[in-house]
Amino acid sequence: DADVTQTPRNRITKTGKRIMLECSQTKGHDRMYWYRQDPGLGLRLIYYSFDVKDINKGEISDGYSVSRQAQAKFSLSLESAIPNQTALYFCATSDFRGGRGANVLTFGAGSRLTVL
Amino acid sequence: GNSVTQMEGPVTLSEEAFLTINCTYTATGYPSLFWYVQYPGEGLQLLLKATKADDKGSNKGFEATYRKETTSFHLEKGSVQVSDSAVYFCALSAPADKVIFGPGTSLSVIP
Repeated sequence: DADVTQTPRNRITKTGKRIMLECSQTKGHDRMYWYRQDPGLGLRLIYYSFDVKDINKGEISDGYSVSRQAQAKFSLSLESAIPNQTALYFCATSDFRGGRGANVLTFGAGSRLTVL
Repeated sequence: GNSVTQMEGPVTLSEEAFLTINCTYTATGYPSLFWYVQYPGEGLQLLLKATKADDKGSNKGFEATYRKETTSFHLEKGSVQVSDSAVYFCALSAPADKVIFGPGTSLSVIP
């Protein structure tokens, strides 16, 4: 099994529908992240969580919400999907605790969302 | 704010050619620098990293040196293979530990 699992891998939905993307990890990492990938824009951070009680907005959080149900689970919701939220979404984890060293991310395989 | 700029793609090379993908960054303090690779249909995976000036990261024949004086972290490989075809992302880890990515450079290697 993958260290970071995202479900669903592909989803097509209609404008106005509520969508949830789920992420679970077996790495035992405290930090979890949601990114979206758009061609030519790289990855942009939506939300991140340093532990179960800590949720932070990233650079493009509008229109999204998250829930950290447990250390291993971090879900992303689109309350009312719109076409410009069509993108590839990635969940990532990290065991970085600040200070010296590098914040290395472990990614899931991605969830491709299409909003019609 | 902090940002990463990398060369526009797509890049197409013949097998065994030399590869350079340029990356420059803007950041306060002393960020860590990374190259991630994304193979078709997969998530990103770490290719190499460097945590301080003059460090050289290397992996699978790829290398990059942290150049603080030029704020650069260019990716190089002496002889590319078809299996290196992928999208390459330069990234930095800034204060508050968020990881910021460049736009990605698509590489295609033809036999």
